[in-house]
Amino acid sequence: GAGVSQTPSNKVTEKGKYVELRCDPISGHTALYWYRQSLGQGPEFLIYFQGTGAADDSGLPNDRFFAVRPEGSVSTLKIQRTERGDSAVYLCASSLDGGPSTYEQYFGPGTRLTVT
Amino acid sequence: AQSVTQLDSQVPVFEEAPVELRCNYSSSVSVYLFWYVQYPNQGLQLLLKYLSGSTLVKGINGFEAEFNKSQTSFHLRKPSVHISDTAEYFCAVIYSGGYQKVTFGIGTKLQVIP
Repeated sequence: GAGVSQTPSNKVTEKGKYVELRCDPISGHTALYWYRQSLGQGPEFLIYFQGTGAADDSGLPNDRFFAVRPEGSVSTLKIQRTERGDSAVYLCASSLDGGPSTYEQYFGPGTRLTVT
Repeated sequence: AQSVTQLDSQVPVFEEAPVELRCNYSSSVSVYLFWYVQYPNQGLQLLLKYLSGSTLVKGINGFEAEFNKSQTSFHLRKPSVHISDTAEYFCAVIYSGGYQKVTFGIGTKLQVIP
């Protein structure tokens, strides 16, 4: 079946602009996660959704970052007033139910964001 | 603060030689442990995981890892590597009570030399 998909695969934007990054999780997965991977680093947790609600948004770096999942499936990560330091690969992952049964997260290919 | 340490940023190894990629974590609570692999231009893929039970876990592509609670380690091993194992490997931890918030190490680049 289809895995986690993310669009766009690459996004170049100018400093100060607004961007939206989209994630389509695996069908039936109720848990969804966003991570950010800067060059030479491991992925860093941003936010976790269980269904439509954000269960943990402690990783969002500041109020320029916001994410939604209005229908409990597709999620959008929104970044306002982008800064050069926001340049990174943004990863999305989903898992079956967010519970201890598997703890396995399936990752998408990522969106590479470059802020010029 | 909870953290994951991968001691080696790069590991070169000759084809068919054994390899060990080291991972240590900080914790005073129960943990769930994972190794992910990222092949060039591809997404993260789960290699193996430890949730409970036997401390020696086997994963895909001939990899295995051993959970050592006293040393807070979860080292990844393979007895004989192939060129196709060239990739970046990430150790990751979920801390009990942390929902499924995954904390990753910075990664180890395994370069298999022909």
